[in-house]
Amino acid sequence: DGGITQSPKYLFRKEGQNVTLSCEQNLNHDAMYWYRQDPGQGLRLIYYSQIVNDFQKGDIAEGYSVSREKKESFPLTVTSAQKNPTAFYLCASSPWTGLNSGANVLTFGAGSRLTVL
Amino acid sequence: EDKVVQSPLSLVVHEGDTVTLNCSYEVTNFRSLLWYKQEKKAPTFLFMLTSSGIEKKSGRLSSILDKKELFSILNITATQTGDSAIYLCAVESNTGNQFYFGTGTSLTVIP
Repeated sequence: DGGITQSPKYLFRKEGQNVTLSCEQNLNHDAMYWYRQDPGQGLRLIYYSQIVNDFQKGDIAEGYSVSREKKESFPLTVTSAQKNPTAFYLCASSPWTGLNSGANVLTFGAGSRLTVL
Repeated sequence: EDKVVQSPLSLVVHEGDTVTLNCSYEVTNFRSLLWYKQEKKAPTFLFMLTSSGIEKKSGRLSSILDKKELFSILNITATQTGDSAIYLCAVESNTGNQFYFGTGTSLTVIP
């Protein structure tokens, strides 16, 4: 079955530590996204990537980093510079069909819940 | 600034009631509007709307888009406890293939 796999589902970290959240998709989608979800704030975009070896900052990129070395994979590192990292993180993907083509549907992974102790 | 606003933020109804969830948007280079249902983890896709006035329907759920007034509604008739979830509205922009989300509406259906 095609889909998006995020790991780990739950993660605890101490202040000052970097952590990396994994996101793998087998949908052959070009575009991948990372969102952060906090209660009452909806989904906020951290980073997104339309093609391999290229990515753009979203609205709340400070304290996060990403890489896109393979089409299937888009890991997110939460660095110690992120002041309030406790949150639910969602990875998503969509076909990138170009600027003048049809609309896309975002497909989501099951999410990773990060708690900083 | 691009934004999507959903209302109400939360709603509690009894089984059998009909609910209407609202989504208004101001997004440059609109491409589509999407509705998702999120129960605990991954949001699941409900509808994609690209044209005004054409109702999309799936069972007890339906949705419609008004591109002139920049809003969409999601209707749920004869609600059931299984409809309890957060309902997310998102708008896709042609600019950079971005999706803008609202804060969501938290729906609770009590028996």
